[in-house]
Amino acid sequence: DADVTQTPRNRITKTGKRIMLECSQTKGHDRMYWYRQDPGLGLRLIYYSFDVKDINKGEISDGYSVSRQAQAKFSLSLESAIPNQTALYFCATSDTGTSVYNEQFFGPGTRLTVL
Amino acid sequence: AQSVAQPEDQVNVAEGNPLTVKCTYSVSGNPYLFWYVQYPNRGLQFLLKYITGDNLVKGSYGFEAEFNKSQTSFHLKKPSALVSDSALYFCAVRDHTGRRALTFGSGTRLQVQP
Repeated sequence: DADVTQTPRNRITKTGKRIMLECSQTKGHDRMYWYRQDPGLGLRLIYYSFDVKDINKGEISDGYSVSRQAQAKFSLSLESAIPNQTALYFCATSDTGTSVYNEQFFGPGTRLTVL
Repeated sequence: AQSVAQPEDQVNVAEGNPLTVKCTYSVSGNPYLFWYVQYPNRGLQFLLKYITGDNLVKGSYGFEAEFNKSQTSFHLKKPSALVSDSALYFCAVRDHTGRRALTFGSGTRLQVQP
């Protein structure tokens, strides 16, 4: 969905490096999410944010941190990247204005390789 | 804790035949269920959801899903498969509080042969 953008789209980095993945949305949604996708494991939730001041850990938050700089921006950081963080990372948004059960909209993904 | 199981890693069907992609769930309270599709090199796209009401839910691209509370299942179906339906399909569940994010299944790859 072009309304949810992620940068960079591809990144190769080395073990121990700090890296930031950025997500921006123009949908005006309040909730934002970071997932990672690994083959055979589906999508696993890293962090989610219900608004700028409400950030929550997901099931696999260790080794990651996030920042919700504004309603439209949600960044994911790997403070010291390790090879098992090699994965496809997705940002998603949802709007709770009309329903807390509205679907999520996904960005195109960032393919991260840690050597 | 809530969970979703997609028992089949891959489903193969011939074009024009009906298809079913299976999903079972576990959640406390009423379940809120979703199906998403992922095409190659793309993000996930929403197909349909069950919140309440009719057990048969209709969604995008001719897909539908049947909610079965007694079997805790939410199978995705389509009466006549197209080659262009070939993709990775994910089932997801959210609990009734709305405070939790979605929990996804491991995904099922659908391959439709011409």
